[in-house]
Amino acid sequence: EDQVTQSPEALRLQEGESSSLNCSYTVSGLRGLFWYRQDPGKGPEFLFTLYSAGEEKEKERLKATLTKKESFLHITAPKPEDSATYLCAVQAAGTYKYIFGTGTRLKVLA
Amino acid sequence: DVKVTQSSRYLVKRTGEKVFLECVQDMDHENMFWYRQDPGLGLRLIYFSYDVKMKEKGDIPEGYSVSREKKERFSLILESASTNQTSMYLCASSSRTGSNEKLFFGSGTQLSVL
Repeated sequence: EDQVTQSPEALRLQEGESSSLNCSYTVSGLRGLFWYRQDPGKGPEFLFTLYSAGEEKEKERLKATLTKKESFLHITAPKPEDSATYLCAVQAAGTYKYIFGTGTRLKVLA
Repeated sequence: DVKVTQSSRYLVKRTGEKVFLECVQDMDHENMFWYRQDPGLGLRLIYFSYDVKMKEKGDIPEGYSVSREKKERFSLILESASTNQTSMYLCASSSRTGSNEKLFFGSGTQLSVL
């Protein structure tokens, strides 16, 4: 069964304290792995797509990496405005469906 | 700026009412989706549509139906609302062309069924 597990469920960081969020997945043929950011009361906003093991994408303080079994979202020197829930999703080959993890709630303290 | 617009941010309905949630996208996307989001359960797919008048059941279609009469509009219908359908409902769309099939989400509708 296709599945996505994110850890930790919640993370509190001091401003400037770098860390990583994990997304483990099992899927029958990966079409793409997606990271989204969701602010309270809003819909998820797209961050990155990764397609194959070894691929990396960067945007400001965020860097996403992919292996055959998991993806990491690295946050370097976070700021309070990075506080949000980060969602991971996978799309299996030959399907329109996306399978989402339950997210990591990140809180960055000033 | 590309947009997915959901008709209501908050809705309060009574048990047994028929509820319509509307979603419109302005990106000419082929694919449209309805998810519900509950704490600890993440986003779960209710229905999706890959073309006008085409629809497929997602993981939790029971108690819901959908309508897609025009490419830009995808409606979710709760035939007879129940309290266990209290949730955040998210509409999304994506393009079938190209390799980057990212989802664009609306702002969500928080539905409370009393």
